[in-house]
Amino acid sequence: DAKTTQPNSMESNEEEPVHLPCNHSTISGTDYIHWYRQLPSQGPEYVIHGLTSNVNNRMASLAIAEDRKSSTLILHRATLRDAAVYYCILRVGGTSYGKLTFGQGTILTVHP
Amino acid sequence: EAQVTQNPRYLITVTGKKLTVTCSQNMNHEYMSWYRQDPGLGLRQIYYSMNVEVTDKGDVPEGYKVSRKEKRNFPLILESPSPNQTSLYFCASRRSSEGNQPQHFGDGTRLSIL
Repeated sequence: DAKTTQPNSMESNEEEPVHLPCNHSTISGTDYIHWYRQLPSQGPEYVIHGLTSNVNNRMASLAIAEDRKSSTLILHRATLRDAAVYYCILRVGGTSYGKLTFGQGTILTVHP
Repeated sequence: EAQVTQNPRYLITVTGKKLTVTCSQNMNHEYMSWYRQDPGLGLRQIYYSMNVEVTDKGDVPEGYKVSRKEKRNFPLILESPSPNQTSLYFCASRRSSEGNQPQHFGDGTRLSIL
């Protein structure tokens, strides 16, 4: 899987938007961008994924740069429950046996 | 509720004493896998299974065995545990191995091998 680069940590205040960046300059045309998060003492949790177009779901939005070399996960109004490690992962489209290659992720701290 | 259930959640045991960590999913998923999570190394895949009776090695399979006799269950077996297998283990499932369906993870099993 191609490599991603994320900041080690970020901080936010409750009810403010959070923009979590991810660089993936070696992304190929068939790589999907996935985001997972891991809350304390829990297993990773799927957040969102996309290929080229921006994506929205009930948890977050994913903004993908036009050249696809970077993306941003947007939490529109951070809550204390959003404090977690956020992982940006690239997956080859089609059959890739389901493996997710996790990096170190970004530790998000949310202040009351 | 759709979920992946692991047992036990915590276990302290001694070197060489065989143990099994169970994993069960109630979503009729074809694909299941095991990961271990270690500080500084992230999550690494141990074994995976694309369907019943089909299993294969992940990135760090040494010292582990798995079986997939039924679709819902995917136990992880440590025949002769050693201290370097002390770790946090996660089981995961997804609908199939193709495409980009989300993976669902269990809440983890913390193993300490003394």
